[in-house]
Amino acid sequence: KQEVTQIPAALSVPEGENLVLNCSFTDSAIYNLQWFRQDPGKGLTSLLLIQSSQREQTSGRLNASLDKSSGRSTLYIAASQPGDSATYLCAVRNYGQNFVFGPGTRLSVLP
Amino acid sequence: GAVVSQHPSWVICKSGTSVKIECRSLDFQATTMFWYRQFPKQSLMLMATSNEGSKATYEQGVEKDKFLINHASLTLSTLTVTSAHPEDSSFYICSAPGEPREETQYFGPGTRLLVL
Repeated sequence: KQEVTQIPAALSVPEGENLVLNCSFTDSAIYNLQWFRQDPGKGLTSLLLIQSSQREQTSGRLNASLDKSSGRSTLYIAASQPGDSATYLCAVRNYGQNFVFGPGTRLSVLP
Repeated sequence: GAVVSQHPSWVICKSGTSVKIECRSLDFQATTMFWYRQFPKQSLMLMATSNEGSKATYEQGVEKDKFLINHASLTLSTLTVTSAHPEDSSFYICSAPGEPREETQYFGPGTRLLVL
C-alpha cells in the first residue's frame, strides 16, 4: 500500500527566500506524481505533474523533481512571495490506482 | 483548464438529516468522478469513485449505505450523506479526470459540512 509523507509539516519564511518542500513515498512503482496547492477552505489547484519517466518539471518560480529510486520528490519555490502562502500537497499515483495524498506542508511567507 | 464546480459550498444541518452535495464538470464530460473527504489539518482521503451509468466503487471503511453516490449524467455526480452525525462534519471535495493525455484531475472547490 502506497504511503506518502511530507516534510516539513509547516514552514514559515520571510518574503524573498528560496525554499524546498519534500515528499516521500514508499512504493517507487509510480505512474506519476503531482503537486497541488490548497488555500484555506478551498479546493486544490494543480501546480506541476511529473510522469514516472521524467526527472523534473518547471513552471515559473516552481520546480519539482522526482527521484523514483529513492521514493522522493521536492518542490522548489524561488523568491517566495506572501501570495505563495498555502498548503502544498503531494499526490502519488500508481498504475491502475488513484491518487494517494500526503498530509501537506503549510507554508507561510511573511511580508 | 477544465472547471469542476460543487454545490453547496457550505452547509449546516441538524443531526439525523440527509445532505446532498453536487459535483459538476462544467465544460467537459466525466464518466468518472472521485469523492474525497478532508478533516481539519489532514490530507485528502478518497471515499469513492463515481461511475456514470453504474454503481460507485467505495474505498475500504466507507459505508456505502451512508454515503450514497449517484452519477446521473456525464457532467453530474451527487454525494448524499444520509442521517448525518457530527462526526460526518468535514470538507468534501470532488474531482474529475481531464483528457487522457492530460493525466491530471480537476478538483472542485469543496463543500464544508457541519452537522450540529
